[in-house]
Amino acid sequence: EVQLVQSGAESKKPGESLKISCQGSGYNFAANWIAWVRQMPGKGLEWMGVIYPGDSNIKYNPSFQGQVTFSADRAISTAYLQWRSLKASDSAMYYCARQPFYGDPYSDSWGQGTLVTVSS
Amino acid sequence: QSALTQPASVSGSPGQSITIPCTGSSGDIGGYNYVSWYQQQSGKAPQLLIFDLNKRPSGVSDRFSGSKSDNTASLTISGLQAADEATYYCSSYTNTRTFVLFGGGTKVTVL
Repeated sequence: EVQLVQSGAESKKPGESLKISCQGSGYNFAANWIAWVRQMPGKGLEWMGVIYPGDSNIKYNPSFQGQVTFSADRAISTAYLQWRSLKASDSAMYYCARQPFYGDPYSDSWGQGTLVTVSS
Repeated sequence: QSALTQPASVSGSPGQSITIPCTGSSGDIGGYNYVSWYQQQSGKAPQLLIFDLNKRPSGVSDRFSGSKSDNTASLTISGLQAADEATYYCSSYTNTRTFVLFGGGTKVTVL
């Protein structure tokens, strides 16, 4: 069974750094893209970009380029989403999802989400 | 780039069929069949319902179906059930650097 398990909720102050994780199991983690999706409180879904754990090839949505960093460690089947300096506007639920094909961008398995709260 | 356009809400009675439209442009929905639909129950992660316009993943009920006309994709739920109450999102590949667009979501209420 394909599973994506994300790290727990985080509460941070503006300006702090943060790295959240997404561990895959039940499939070849290195051979499938991992997408990151943001959902701000009470709002819809936003595709942030994808990473291919096999070679760490990354494609960012331009709206998020420079604001976040994707990385992956295929040895432990884990992808990461990182912020260098959080803002209050980064408060949201963040989902990782398996995207089997880069050119056909549907996501067939989702993590449970990581809630990030940024407040002074 | 603007999100795809969905109505904020749609409602129906048990057993009825409802259709949720999702309008884009020739650069996304109109030009490609890379349209997917997701169901998000309250407080849960989204789940894939439809991919490649009209394909269902294993385990998804055949009460859910997808179609497209010009720049508008549609999700039809037939035989509406109380368990179908959720928010539904469409998504499409776009030939811009954004690469993937989502709709704003449609809340389905079963009367």
